Formats: sequence, C-alpha cells, structure tokens
Amino acid sequence: GAGVSQSPSNKVTEKGKDVELRCDPISGHTALYWYRQSLGQGLEFLIYFQGNSAPDKSGLPSDRFSAERTGGSVSTLTIQRTQQEDSAVYLCASSLGGMNLYEQYFGPGTRLTVT
Amino acid sequence: AQRVTQPEKLLSVFKGAPVELKCNYSYSGSPELFWYVQYSRQRLQLLLRHISRESIKGFTADLNKGETSFHLKKPFAQEEDSAMYYCALSGMDSNYQLIWGAGTKLIIKP
Repeated sequence: GAGVSQSPSNKVTEKGKDVELRCDPISGHTALYWYRQSLGQGLEFLIYFQGNSAPDKSGLPSDRFSAERTGGSVSTLTIQRTQQEDSAVYLCASSLGGMNLYEQYFGPGTRLTVT
Repeated sequence: AQRVTQPEKLLSVFKGAPVELKCNYSYSGSPELFWYVQYSRQRLQLLLRHISRESIKGFTADLNKGETSFHLKKPFAQEEDSAMYYCALSGMDSNYQLIWGAGTKLIIKP
C-alpha cells in the first residue's frame, strides 16, 4: 500500500513568512511523529501524536512551531515567522502504535529553505 | 543526559572487508536500541532493533550494557551497503521517543 507522504517536497520561503508542511500517514497508523534533520546532524524529535492528541510536544523548538492532526490522519506542521535557522529537512513518520512498540515508517521529507 | 554518539561521520571500506559502525549511548535506565538506514534517494527505514535479535542483510548488532555500546557489524561488506546509518535509542526517560545519533556515512569501495 501507499507509504507516508509529505508535501511539499521542497519549500523556499523568505524570512518572516509562515509555512505549512503536510504529512499523510499510512492508513490505520495511530501514531505520527515529526522530526527535523539539519545538515550534519541526527534527527531531532519535534512532536508526537497518538490519534489526534499530542501527548509529547517537548521537542518543539519555540512557540513559532505548532502542529495539529485531524481525523486521526493528516497532520500539519506550521512554522510562523520563519527564521534562517529553521532551514532543514522535516521528516514525518507513522506507526501502528506509540511508545516505539512498532516500527516507524518515514516519509520522504520536506526540505525547507529560509532565505 | 540521554545521548547517542556515533563517532565516525564517514567510514570507507573495501568490498568484502568487515564493517563496524560504532554507536555509544548514555542512558540511565534500560533503553531499546535501533539502527536505521537511509540508502541514496530512499527513505529512512528500520534496519534492526536489539530486542528482536535478528540479522538483517547480514548485519548484526549486540547491545553491550557494560560498555553502553550497540555497534553494527557485517563480516563482508557489499557495495549495496553504501548508505547513511543512524543509531537511535528510546526508553521511559525519553517518553519512548527516539533519540538519534548524528549518523555515519558508509561508503563501500569496489
């Protein structure tokens, strides 16, 4: 079946603008994760959804970052007033359940460039 | 502090040679350890997890709690093993979220 999809694949935006990144998880996967991958760095956890609720938002780097998930499916990560340090690849993953009991399946990522 | 360290950013070995990708961790409890792999132009995917004790694509990894290591090994490297490899851990102290190493780029030379 279809894997995790993300859109857009690439986004170039001007500093100060808002951006929305979308993630479509695998159908039936209740857990959804957002990560950020900066050049030369490992993956940085941002937020985790179980269903539509986010029990762990501890990784969001600032209040400019927010995320929501609707219908237990699609999730949107919003970055307001983007800064150059927000430039990174944003990865979404989904799994059958949370707590790492199940394998996480990753999307192709959205490469965000803030100019 | 919870941390995963992959000391090598780049590892280059000849085809047929043994490969060892190092991973050390810092964690106060009993973590679960993972290796993820990203081949060129492909998505990040799970390679193996210590709890399953499997050998995937000839790779194995043993959790050494005394040395707090989870090194990934393969006795005879193949060209198709060239990829980016990430070590990660999760556990109660991290709310079961994955904590990632910075990754090691493995290049297998013909």
